Amino acid sequence: QKEVEQNSGPLSVPEGAIASLNCTYSDRGSQSFFWYRQYSGKSPELIMFIYSNGDKEDGRFTAQLNKASQYVSLLIRDSQPSDSATYLCASPGGNRDDKIIFGKGTRLHILP
Amino acid sequence: DTAVSQTPKYLVTQMGNDKSIKCEQNLGHDTMYWYKQDSKKFLKIMFSYNNKELIINETVPNRFSPKSPDKAHLNLHINSLELGDSAVYFCASSQFMGIHNEKLFFGSGTQLSVL
Repeated sequence: QKEVEQNSGPLSVPEGAIASLNCTYSDRGSQSFFWYRQYSGKSPELIMFIYSNGDKEDGRFTAQLNKASQYVSLLIRDSQPSDSATYLCASPGGNRDDKIIFGKGTRLHILP
Repeated sequence: DTAVSQTPKYLVTQMGNDKSIKCEQNLGHDTMYWYKQDSKKFLKIMFSYNNKELIINETVPNRFSPKSPDKAHLNLHINSLELGDSAVYFCASSQFMGIHNEKLFFGSGTQLSVL
């Protein structure tokens, strides 16, 4: 059974600091990962996708994938109160009937 | 021009009732899903359809029956509702299925409360 693990938090970070969110996974065959952001009472929205080992940057967001250690992380630079949300790590399947596995999410709270 | 729309947004009902949730996507995607998010925010897949064909059918009570009349629509009918069915149900779609960059687009969710 593939698993994606996240610390549920809450993770409190001062405004302007770097928020670091982590995710570990059990399936060595997992090739790629998504980060979804979910505001309270809203639906998840995709913010980052990473496929290759190393870093991928998009604005204030950097996703990092380390396949050897089986972890993926999301860094948010210059954290803003509007970044306060739950962040879900997800691993899509490589086969037609594979399930997209979501972690349980980390609640991030940016302190003004 | 909402991409994935589901109705109703809120559903409050009594135990034992039967209810339906409807979902439509206008993205031209081939695959649609139902996810359940419990009170602890854990998002778990229930069903997936690809071009009207049922692909994933998780360990879900058979009181839950999905129906996909065409690839743009996926409905969820729930019989004999129980207290434990209370959750937020999300419809989602993706362009492809079973490839490594399968991005999901979610509807706004249906908050189901069973009293």
